[in-house]
Amino acid sequence: GESVGLHLPTLSVQEGDNSIINCAYSNSASDYFIWYKQESGKGPQFIIDIRSNMDKRQGQRVTVLLNKTVKHLSLQIAATQPGDSAVYFCAESIGGSQGNLIFGKGTKLSVKP
Amino acid sequence: GAGVSQSPSNKVTEKGKDVELRCDPISGHTALYWYRQRLGQGLEFLIYFQGNSAPDKSGLPSDRFSAERTGESVSTLTIQRTQQEDSAVYLCASSLVWSGNTIYFGEGSWLTVV
Repeated sequence: GESVGLHLPTLSVQEGDNSIINCAYSNSASDYFIWYKQESGKGPQFIIDIRSNMDKRQGQRVTVLLNKTVKHLSLQIAATQPGDSAVYFCAESIGGSQGNLIFGKGTKLSVKP
Repeated sequence: GAGVSQSPSNKVTEKGKDVELRCDPISGHTALYWYRQRLGQGLEFLIYFQGNSAPDKSGLPSDRFSAERTGESVSTLTIQRTQQEDSAVYLCASSLVWSGNTIYFGEGSWLTVV
């Protein structure tokens, strides 16, 4: 979930298990959402996006769920692998714009072999 | 190039000095973005360029920060009279068009102000 302090929330999962990373977004007018993965020392990488006219979108091993009623976004990773260890950020924007994406503070996913 | 390229990758500077950070976007990408990421934090939007339109500077934290872009190529982010609070990773990203396309990030420029 979103952190309110300086320390990132951490999710620790066993290799092979499914992971669910949650995000509460702030603006009810936001209509475009993205999940990014950031490995240590690297820039963020796009994982998957979803528009507000959808409530679910699937990619390869990842699913994003959107609940506009409670302004909640989740990222599900199936069969989590050690290479999935990273910090995951959700981002929101209005009007499909990526120019001023508002990023959450991130969740650190740690995969135990 | 193959990806977004940023330089320097690491910069240590003394408080009060000016620094320039450079970003080479992916060739052909018309949109270019700068973000700042403090340690353990999320990304803060700074500025975005789209083609020949006036840049969106709404995220620049103070007048010590400025950025330029020449056409649809290289961009430089300049921080004048650096302060310790400016210490962060400065991330550049680019995309094909402004809306609805995946943006690709560089590896960032790690700035430490001592």
